[in-house]
Amino acid sequence: GENVEQHPSTLSVQEGDSAVIKCTYSDSASNYFPWYKQELGKRPQLIIDIRSNVGEKKDQRIAVTLNKTAKHFSLHITETQPEDSAVYFCAGGVGGGSNYKLTFGKGTLLTVNP
Amino acid sequence: DVKVTQSSRYLVKRTGEKVFLECVQDMDHENMFWYRQDPGLGLRLIYFSYDVKMKEKGDIPEGYSVSREKKERFSLILESASTNQTSMYLCASSLLGGVTGELFFGEGSRLTVL
Repeated sequence: GENVEQHPSTLSVQEGDSAVIKCTYSDSASNYFPWYKQELGKRPQLIIDIRSNVGEKKDQRIAVTLNKTAKHFSLHITETQPEDSAVYFCAGGVGGGSNYKLTFGKGTLLTVNP
Repeated sequence: DVKVTQSSRYLVKRTGEKVFLECVQDMDHENMFWYRQDPGLGLRLIYFSYDVKMKEKGDIPEGYSVSREKKERFSLILESASTNQTSMYLCASSLLGGVTGELFFGEGSRLTVL
């Protein structure tokens, strides 16, 4: 089955700096890669996603890049702010119905210091 | 807004007890999921359902069962709770049939088994 590795497990940056979280996946069939953000004590929420036919996607201060050949994808946050502090989960998956398969990474705790 | 409601935020049970965790979504979503969240282990899929009365095993189904008698309700059952099932349990739902459907999570149910 799919194995998604996420690094680093913790990341501390100064406000205004950039943060990068990297994930690798094992199943070459995976074609969808979402990122979820979970603030302390709250539910995970989707912040951005990318499909395998796209190499990069941006949404204001966040961007995701995908390298299908190397089977890795990354989340980039620019101009970090204290409210970006949270646990971020990457995931990779394919399929639907009974063949639904979405696997999450173990998460990265991002701390943005004022 | 999509609302996914988990009936109990905090539960304390004794080893061997039968435990029911209830989840209700109000957006007519086809898919429903139960995840387990443990520090350093990320989000692990226990069971999912892509239609009423349909259920599929996820990555860690041992010790759990599920029930989906109505579209809006998905229940997780621990037939005989054990201490290693102490965890945060997250229910989620999604509209689209495949992995590309955004997951909407509930607030979580923190279960402690003594």
